[in-house]
Amino acid sequence: DVKVTQSSRYLVKRTGEKVFLECVQDMDHENMFWYRQDPGLGLRLIYFSYDVKMKEKGDIPEGYSVSREKKERFSLILESASTNQTSMYLCASTPGASGVESQFFGPGTRLTVL
Amino acid sequence: AQKITQTQPGMFVQEKEAVTLDCTYDTSDPSYGLFWYKQPSSGEMIFLIYQGSYDQQNATEGRYSLNFQKARKSANLVISASQLGDSAMYFCAMWREYNFNKFYFGSGTKLNVKP
Repeated sequence: DVKVTQSSRYLVKRTGEKVFLECVQDMDHENMFWYRQDPGLGLRLIYFSYDVKMKEKGDIPEGYSVSREKKERFSLILESASTNQTSMYLCASTPGASGVESQFFGPGTRLTVL
Repeated sequence: AQKITQTQPGMFVQEKEAVTLDCTYDTSDPSYGLFWYKQPSSGEMIFLIYQGSYDQQNATEGRYSLNFQKARKSANLVISASQLGDSAMYFCAMWREYNFNKFYFGSGTKLNVKP
């Protein structure tokens, strides 16, 4: 069964901490995505990656960075967490650039920054 | 700018009745796709149905159907014979072929099915 996993379901951090959210997919997918989900705003794209070491900014990249050293792993980094980054974070992947495929989502990480 | 609009923040439906969730989109691309996802309270996003911009017929998947009106740029989800387990958030999303498979999501509709 194909899977996207995220390192934590719930995370509580303090303002100013460096936070790492990890996402791993076992489907050999080319593309990986990080979204944040807030009530009334839907899912907003933070960053995506279409290949190892390649990344593109999404709609709301400020305050975030990403890393993709291996094809199966895509990490979201909050360099200095702030309270307005309290949110649900969803990772997703798609097979590649040709054709259309639904995104496969991880279970999400609910991050609270105090 | 590409955009997805879901105008119904919340809806109620009686069990066993049909319900339509609205979605309108805005794009000038010739090739695109429209998806619907379900998100139960547990948080995972579940793919429901897909419609391609060149598809002639409306997509159907079991109790789900997509009412695709290209000229109106609408892609409404119809759930027939609602069940209690259909209570969830529903998101409409658009995919554009020429943009690294980026997806654009609407703000979602919270559906509550009443017994």
